[in-house]
Amino acid sequence: KAGVTQTPRYLIKTRGQQVTLSCSPISGHRSVSWYQQTPGQGLQFLFEYFSETQRNKGNFPGRFSGRQFSNSRSEMNVSTLELGDSALYLCASSLERRGQDIQYFGAGTRLSVL
Amino acid sequence: GQQLNQNPQSMFIQEGEDVSMNCTSSSIFNTWLWYKQDPGEGPVLLIALYKAGELTSNGRLTAQFGITRKDSFLNISASIPSDVGIYFCDGGTYKYIFGTGTRLKVLA
Repeated sequence: KAGVTQTPRYLIKTRGQQVTLSCSPISGHRSVSWYQQTPGQGLQFLFEYFSETQRNKGNFPGRFSGRQFSNSRSEMNVSTLELGDSALYLCASSLERRGQDIQYFGAGTRLSVL
Repeated sequence: GQQLNQNPQSMFIQEGEDVSMNCTSSSIFNTWLWYKQDPGEGPVLLIALYKAGELTSNGRLTAQFGITRKDSFLNISASIPSDVGIYFCDGGTYKYIFGTGTRLKVLA
């Protein structure tokens, strides 16, 4: 069974640009969550999508958005990039187990904003 | 908001030593999950705990669900160089919140 796939693995952008990251969940998983990881802040929750609907949202500005398609694949978009957006962006898909979600992570997309 | 504190934040140990780390919160949890993140990769689930007092092993790793349900512990026995990485706890009930992480470095 294939794992969570994130593309691209690395990305370099300049301030003011926008970027779109992609995530393909494990087959059969319907929940996809996105996290931002920086050395100083650890793993910060961005949002979660379930059946094409945003189910939960973290405390990030509106420049961060996402969507989920009918095949559960998800994309996140960051507009008007800032230097502080440089981070590893992780996607995780969920399989419910005993009523509690276990998250399976992709390898991440490392975004550098210059 | 919910917060999970992990201790220690980082540690250097000699190969062969045992390692202990913990995760604490002011809130009660029904599930504790431990993940490990290798450099350049995403976190991978190591152990899942579902009941207060539960003790679960995965090879050289042993994790315990604290009796108060506000904490969890992870032990690694006889550490090896590939144990290097960041260990995260996750209170599954509030699945969007991870611990601050324990960065482990093993000296050969």
